[in-house]
Amino acid sequence: ILNVEQSPQSLHVQEGDSTNFTCSFPSSNFYALHWYRWETAKSPEALFVMTLNGDEKKKGRISATLNTKEGYSYLYIKGSQPEDSATYLCAFSPAGAGSYQLTFGKGTKLSVIP
Amino acid sequence: KAGVTQTPRYLIKTRGQQVTLSCSPISGHRSVSWYQQTPGQGLQFLFEYFSETQRNKGNFPGRFSGRQFSNSRSEMNVSTLELGDSALYLCASSLDGGHFEAFFGQGTRLTVV
Repeated sequence: ILNVEQSPQSLHVQEGDSTNFTCSFPSSNFYALHWYRWETAKSPEALFVMTLNGDEKKKGRISATLNTKEGYSYLYIKGSQPEDSATYLCAFSPAGAGSYQLTFGKGTKLSVIP
Repeated sequence: KAGVTQTPRYLIKTRGQQVTLSCSPISGHRSVSWYQQTPGQGLQFLFEYFSETQRNKGNFPGRFSGRQFSNSRSEMNVSTLELGDSALYLCASSLDGGHFEAFFGQGTRLTVV
């Protein structure tokens, strides 16, 4: 059974603060690591798919880094805005026969206070 | 470009009944995955289909089954419903599984009474 852990479980920040979350995943047999944003009453929306050790991706104020050797990824949000309030999910895909299966963490719920 | 469409959005069933949920993927996407979310749990993988073939199956009992049609539309079926099957069921489509971003539907909220 693959274990994907996210921390913290929840986070409250003031508007304008920068913040980051962690996703831990198995360091062996790595294929891909995904980040999704899930706003209330909407569908999860892909932020990044990362496949190479050392990958860094950026979309606006959100960026992510990947360390496959030690099995972790960080998601950073610079200058948080109320519209960033959502649950952020990471998902791990192993190499081999299970590569079509995403194992999700339980998410980090971010609340940005205006 | 139309998104992933799931029907119905809400469903109430009685324990012991069966249910079929439907998912229409984004045009051109041949991979469809199904997930279950229950309170306090993350998204739990049910199964993944590609070109009408099941490639991966999660750790769920045989009461949960699925299929995919030649137009990539997918259905999942749950037989002999239990109270614990009450959940949000999400489907996601992608070009081809784990290396590609998944596009999610809005889900079907199933309540078993």
